[in-house]
Amino acid sequence: DTGVSQDPRHKITKRGQNVTFRCDPISEHNRLYWYRQTLGQGPEFLTYFQNEAQLEKSRLLSDRFSAERPKGSFSTLEIQRTEQGDSAMYLCASSFNISPTGELFFGEGSRLTVL
Amino acid sequence: GIQVEQSPPDLILQEGANSTLRCNFSDSVNNLQWFHQNPWGQLINLFYIPSGTKQNGRLSATTVATERYSLLYISSSQTTDSGVYFCAVGNGAGAGSYQLTFGKGTKLSVIP
Repeated sequence: DTGVSQDPRHKITKRGQNVTFRCDPISEHNRLYWYRQTLGQGPEFLTYFQNEAQLEKSRLLSDRFSAERPKGSFSTLEIQRTEQGDSAMYLCASSFNISPTGELFFGEGSRLTVL
Repeated sequence: GIQVEQSPPDLILQEGANSTLRCNFSDSVNNLQWFHQNPWGQLINLFYIPSGTKQNGRLSATTVATERYSLLYISSSQTTDSGVYFCAVGNGAGAGSYQLTFGKGTKLSVIP
């Protein structure tokens, strides 16, 4: 499978715990994006990377959220001290730097439930 | 930020029928994409169409950037077309154009 891969697909945690999600983009893509989707809404942009550089992080929801892409390949999104309002689907997407077709490719998402 | 409005919010079709989904946006854009989210949550890119017209099988899309709207046409609908259709737009520079703002989607149900 050469698509965007996310792990875990489902995570149930207790309020106050830390969680980490991993995203493996399509191998030749150098841009990686994180979005969040709550029930009944469209995805909401969080942050993105070009190679290992995080070019936008002001849209991360709070200082409890952080993301890394240490070697310009896979990325992690960490949520510290989870709250019930963090329950959502966390989506990763990737794209080419210069693409003739311009599409954004999404993974299947990591669904977080905070009890 | 850019506002994106999609209509209708819900649509029920008999299999074989045609439909048109609309996306209005509040500012100029350099990126516009249509996605289909299937019942399992997977977002599938349908079109990258910041302007002009494209066709892919039974689906086609048209964006009139000067009038700030895009249309997605589905012809001869099938039950597998069911799901939520999202329009997403961006107007940043370079990679920033992929900081997409999504609409709330059109939920399509195709019944046999």
